Amino acid sequence: QKEVEQDPGPLSVPEGAIVSLNCTYSNSAFQYFMWYRQYSRKGPELLMYTYSSGNKEDGRFTAQVDKSSKYISLFIRDSQPSDSATYLCAMTPIGNTGFQKLVFGTGTRLLVSP
Amino acid sequence: EAGVAQSPRYKIIEKRQSVAFWCNPISGHATLYWYQQILGQGPKLLIQFQNNGVVDDSQLPKDRFSAERLKGVDSTLKIQPAKLEDSAVYLCASSLFNRREGGTIRIYYEQYFGPGTRLTVT
Repeated sequence: QKEVEQDPGPLSVPEGAIVSLNCTYSNSAFQYFMWYRQYSRKGPELLMYTYSSGNKEDGRFTAQVDKSSKYISLFIRDSQPSDSATYLCAMTPIGNTGFQKLVFGTGTRLLVSP
Repeated sequence: EAGVAQSPRYKIIEKRQSVAFWCNPISGHATLYWYQQILGQGPKLLIQFQNNGVVDDSQLPKDRFSAERLKGVDSTLKIQPAKLEDSAVYLCASSLFNRREGGTIRIYYEQYFGPGTRLTVT
C-alpha cells in the first residue's frame, strides 16, 4: 500500500463547476500538507499549505484536512479552463530538524472545458 | 524574487552516455532537493542538501547518479552511464529551512520547484 493515494483521473468538469480533489494517507505521522499545481511541461507550483485540521481558504481554493480520517481535499470554486492541470498533494511529518521528506501523491489530472 | 532556475530544459542522449543538469535555487534557501518525476507519477526524492552537505541520498542510485552542491548554492546532478529507464523529468526544488521570527524559530516545509529538465534516453 502506498503511503499517499490519489486518483489519477482525468477529472473532466465544465467551466464554473466546483471541483473536489482528494488524497488519502496511511502514515499518521504526516502533519503538514501541501497542494501543488503542475501544468504540462512545467514544474510543480505551490498552491496551498496547512498543518491544521479544518479548512483554509485562499481565493477560489479551499484546502481541507481531516486527520482523524487521514483524508485531505482541495476544492476549486468557479473552475476555469486555466485551472486545467495536474494537482499533486504532498505531506510530511513535523519535527524539530526540518529535514522531513515530502511524500507526493501521483497527481490528479483536471480538465475544465469552456 | 527569482524562482528556481534549471538548465537545460530538454536533453536527448543515447543509453550509456553521460548527462549533467544544473540548478540554481532561490536566493537564501539553504535546502536544495533533486527529484525524479516519471510520467504519470509524483516526484520522487533523489537527494537533499542542507547548505553544501548531503542530508538524504537514500534513493539515489549511486552506481550511476552523483550530485554535488559546492559552496552551498548551485547544484549539479550527473548520470553516468544513462539507462533507458532514466527517461524522466528531473526537478530541482529549494526551501528556506528555518528562520528566526520573534523569539521562536519557524521551520519551513514548503518547497519551491524549478521548471525541470526533460531527459529522453534512446
